[in-house]
Amino acid sequence: NAGVTQTPKFQVLKTGQSMTLQCAQDMNHNSMYWYRQDPGMGLRLIYYSASEGTTDKGEVPNGYNVSRLNKREFSLRLESAAPSQTSVYFCASPGSSSYEQYFGPGTRLTVT
Amino acid sequence: EDQVTQSPEALRLQEGESSSLNCSYTVSGLRGLFWYRQDPGKGPEFLFTLYSAGEEKEKERLKATLTKKESFLHITAPKPEDSATYLCAVQSYNFNKFYFGSGTKLNVKP
Repeated sequence: NAGVTQTPKFQVLKTGQSMTLQCAQDMNHNSMYWYRQDPGMGLRLIYYSASEGTTDKGEVPNGYNVSRLNKREFSLRLESAAPSQTSVYFCASPGSSSYEQYFGPGTRLTVT
Repeated sequence: EDQVTQSPEALRLQEGESSSLNCSYTVSGLRGLFWYRQDPGKGPEFLFTLYSAGEEKEKERLKATLTKKESFLHITAPKPEDSATYLCAVQSYNFNKFYFGSGTKLNVKP
């Protein structure tokens, strides 16, 4: 997971609470991505950012907002958490000269 | 619609028993097909990129191959440390997105 960091690693929220997941990459790439991973469903794209200042919806954007703060940082916000958002969240970015994505260590979120 | 299907969902092997994992895909213009390994509680770790039919890549006991409709991850004489979930993903030229399969969970018993 070298090059992509995420905070926090674990979080428990109550329904209706809000929180922001932070992601930073040091590979100097323009693109960054947020995924969620649920058992049996693989990784699903929530939002992505092709470059600083731009963001686009992925497969499952409802209930989330994102901010591309600068080239290094891409945050994911849950404004009013719901139990359906219990999941593992991964941030990813391509390497500096390649198409493959490199992933952070993940944030394990539980909403009760 | 771009889609990735992996099979089997789970695979149990004895140490040294070779086998293959399958990744079938449909994509409108393949930019690349990617294999990842994921250990419990960790993020996916990149293994291989394949760009065109006929291409092959190898790393230790793993060999990935690609046709126009599917990819195989061949595991030769696996060891217990090869136990993990293996994920396949595709990226098309049309969109800046990746599509992941749901993975194959491999368990290699000593």
